[in-house]
Amino acid sequence: AQKVTQAQTEISVVEKEDVTLDCVYETRDTTYYLFWYKQPPSGELVFLIRRNSFDEQNEISGRYSWNFQKSTSSFNFTITASQVVDSAVYFCALSEASTGTYKYIFGTGTRLKVLA
Amino acid sequence: EAGVVQSPRYKIIEKKQPVAFWCNPISGHNTLYWYRQNLGQGPELLIRYENEEAVDDSQLPKDRFSAERLKGVDSTLKIQPAELGDSAVYLCASSFDPGGEGYEQYFGPGTRLTVT
Repeated sequence: AQKVTQAQTEISVVEKEDVTLDCVYETRDTTYYLFWYKQPPSGELVFLIRRNSFDEQNEISGRYSWNFQKSTSSFNFTITASQVVDSAVYFCALSEASTGTYKYIFGTGTRLKVLA
Repeated sequence: EAGVVQSPRYKIIEKKQPVAFWCNPISGHNTLYWYRQNLGQGPELLIRYENEEAVDDSQLPKDRFSAERLKGVDSTLKIQPAELGDSAVYLCASSFDPGGEGYEQYFGPGTRLTVT
């Protein structure tokens, strides 16, 4: 069965520190997609990245970077030089079609607090 | 471009009363999702539509929940009768996903339901 685990419930860092949010997933499918979403205090989830299972290249977007490792079933998210505006709940999600139709599973989220 | 619109933003009802939530997806998005998000948890999929068809309603409690997406655009989610445990944020999301392959979703602000 598919599953997404975000073991870090809450992380607090001081502004300008780097922080990595962990995501471990389980799936029996060979074709799947991984996502990260940000949910700021306003409540609206915002899409950050989508990665398919055949592309293990790391990605960098400004201060954000993602490390996808199929060998460890992980899709970790790093924020470099964190800022107060990065404070939010971050969700990792998986979609896969092992049951014939795509299923979307979200992790329980990691609350990031960036202190000034 | 307008985002996903949901109404109402907040709703307080007594248990056993009916309640309905409305969602207008991003123009051109064929896929629409309803999620329930409990406090401190990730979104849980209730139902997914591709155009007018409900392609995944396996997690929808069909004894009290119903949904419709007439004409493949707007959607309504209804609860009748509501129970105390239904208190949560109900999120609507949409995506352009013609192949049903798991594309990124765009979320509305949600409806916070409180059942007393």
